[in-house]
Amino acid sequence: DGGITQSPKYLFRKEGQNVTLSCEQNLNHDAMYWYRQDPGQGLRLIYYSQIVNDFQKGDIAEGYSVSREKKESFPLTVTSAQKNPTAFYLCASSTSSGGSPLHFGNGTRLTVT
Amino acid sequence: EDQVTQSPEALRLQEGESSSLNCSYTVSGLRGLFWYRQDPGKGPEFLFTLYSAGEEKEKERLKATLTKKESFLHITAPKPEDSATYLCAGRGSGNTPLVFGKGTRLSVIA
Repeated sequence: DGGITQSPKYLFRKEGQNVTLSCEQNLNHDAMYWYRQDPGQGLRLIYYSQIVNDFQKGDIAEGYSVSREKKESFPLTVTSAQKNPTAFYLCASSTSSGGSPLHFGNGTRLTVT
Repeated sequence: EDQVTQSPEALRLQEGESSSLNCSYTVSGLRGLFWYRQDPGKGPEFLFTLYSAGEEKEKERLKATLTKKESFLHITAPKPEDSATYLCAGRGSGNTPLVFGKGTRLSVIA
């Protein structure tokens, strides 16, 4: 079945460590996205990529980095510069058509202590 | 700046008690208004896309409608399994990403 796989489901890290969240899709979608979800805040866009080897900052990119070396993969690194990294992280993908919906993975819950 | 606002933040219904969730939007050159359902600890699940005012879409007990300023998600005779957070999002002109509302948390009590 086609879909988006995020791994791991739960991730624990010590403060000061960088951590990379995985996102893989087999939907042949051009565009991929990373969102952060906090209670009461809704979904906030971190980074997005509309084509391989290109990506743009979203509303809350500070303290995060991404790469898009393959169409299927869009890993997110949460760096030690991110002040409040504990959150639920969601990856999504879509076709390049403006009216097409996003398809989401099931998220990674990151806890930094 | 594009904006999407959902109300109410939370809604508690008795089983069978129909109601509506509201999504107000100011999105320049709207290319699609999207509804999602999200269960706790999971990613949002796509429900509907609406493209133009007057459009309606239905799925089981859910019906989504769109005007030039708002979208409504009508829930008819809800069941406890309809309990979830419902998210609304809009996409504007160009290649701008979706803008999400904060969601409505629906609880349906048996």
